[in-house]
This record gives sequence, structure tokens and C-alpha cells, in this order.
Amino acid sequence: GAVVSQHPSRVICKSGTSVKIECRSLDFQATTMFWYRQFPKQSLMLMATSNEGSKATYEQGVEKDKFLINHASLTLSTLTVTSAHPEDSSFYICSARDRSSGGASNYEQYFGPGTRLTVT
Amino acid sequence: AQTVTQSQPEMSVQEAETVTLSCTYDTSESDYYLFWYKQPPSRQMILVIRQEAYKQQNATENRFSVNFQKAAKSFSLKISDSQLGDAAMYFCAYLKAAGNKLTFGGGTRVLVKP
Repeated sequence: GAVVSQHPSRVICKSGTSVKIECRSLDFQATTMFWYRQFPKQSLMLMATSNEGSKATYEQGVEKDKFLINHASLTLSTLTVTSAHPEDSSFYICSARDRSSGGASNYEQYFGPGTRLTVT
Repeated sequence: AQTVTQSQPEMSVQEAETVTLSCTYDTSESDYYLFWYKQPPSRQMILVIRQEAYKQQNATENRFSVNFQKAAKSFSLKISDSQLGDAAMYFCAYLKAAGNKLTFGGGTRVLVKP
């Protein structure tokens, strides 16, 4: 089945530093990748949508200069949290859509296992 | 804007019994998809079941089934013969056909008592 990986699974960084999270589709090519943020005991909130080779589309209220998204290939998207602060601590989840599938499954998103970011 | 509402923050069920999770949504679209995702303690999102709005027949996947009421904009999930491994957060989600954005409900935590 379609597998999405994320690296690292957890990261601790100091306030003011930047941290990069990778999202890879392992066995399929992803037309589109998505980045979500999930606070404890809350739902997933979409941060941005990225298409391979083009700029990401950010949701309202998400700072594009703070959360840099690069979708350099059909199998890799990265999220860089720049100048991280404690309030950026959260669980970040990526998902990817399989371009080769047809019909309704074309819209299915496959989720990565998430990355827990702690900013001290 | 589409919204998805899950009115039950938490549901408890006895092992082997049945539990039904509620989900309502608001949309002006006629063509869309609805999903139920499971998020166990590992935090990995797992697709449980999917329903296409143009299909009248309710989707089923083994012990999981939905009751899709398009006119009422309701999409409930029934878990039959509940197992300990079913304990998790369950999220209802909406996707407009040909759209990108998956809109999630607030989630329902399911507790399974042995």
C-alpha cells in the first residue's frame, strides 16, 4: 500500500533556531502533499498544500515566512520552521496524494506518522 | 466554507458491543467525499472508511459501516463487535470533489472496556 514517511519522528530545538521536517512518499508519486498541525487533544488543522515544482498554498493565518515548504520532487516535501519559538511546539503531520490512482481513490490522502516538535 | 461537526467528545463501549459515532457537515456542494479516520495512540492516521456522495449505498468495511444521509448532511460511523484495538480518536472528514482541502471534525475518543 501507499506509505508516507516523516523524518525526524521527534525533534527538540532551542528557541530561535530552525528545524526541517521531511515528508516522503515511499512507493508512489505524490501530485500534492499537505502539511497539518495538531495540538494535544485537538483535530488536524491544514497549514498548507504543496504541489511539486510550484509554491505552496498556505491557509489563512499561517505565516509563510515562518513555515517554509518546499516540494522539490514527486516524492519529497519539506517543512522548515524558521526561528522557532515555544509556541511552535506541536505535532506536525504530512500527507500525500497518489497521482497514479484513479476514481475516488485519487482523492485519498496517505498520512505520515507525524513529527513531534518541542521548542525549548 | 465547509464545516464538519462531531458532537460526541468521547464514547465508551463494552468489548464486543456496538458503538455509533455521529458526524454532521455543512456544504453547498453536491459532489464530495466523506471519510472516517482513526488515530490510535501512535498518532498515525488510518483511513477507516470512505463514502462517495453520489452513491446511495452505505459503505461498509468489515466491522465498520456508515449511515450516510445526504439530505440531512449526516455521516455516522458504526463499529460492530468492538475490539480493544478500536480504542482511538476517530475523525470525520469532508473533501469536495476535485478539491484539495480535507476538512476534519473535532474528533471523538472511543474507549473500549474489556
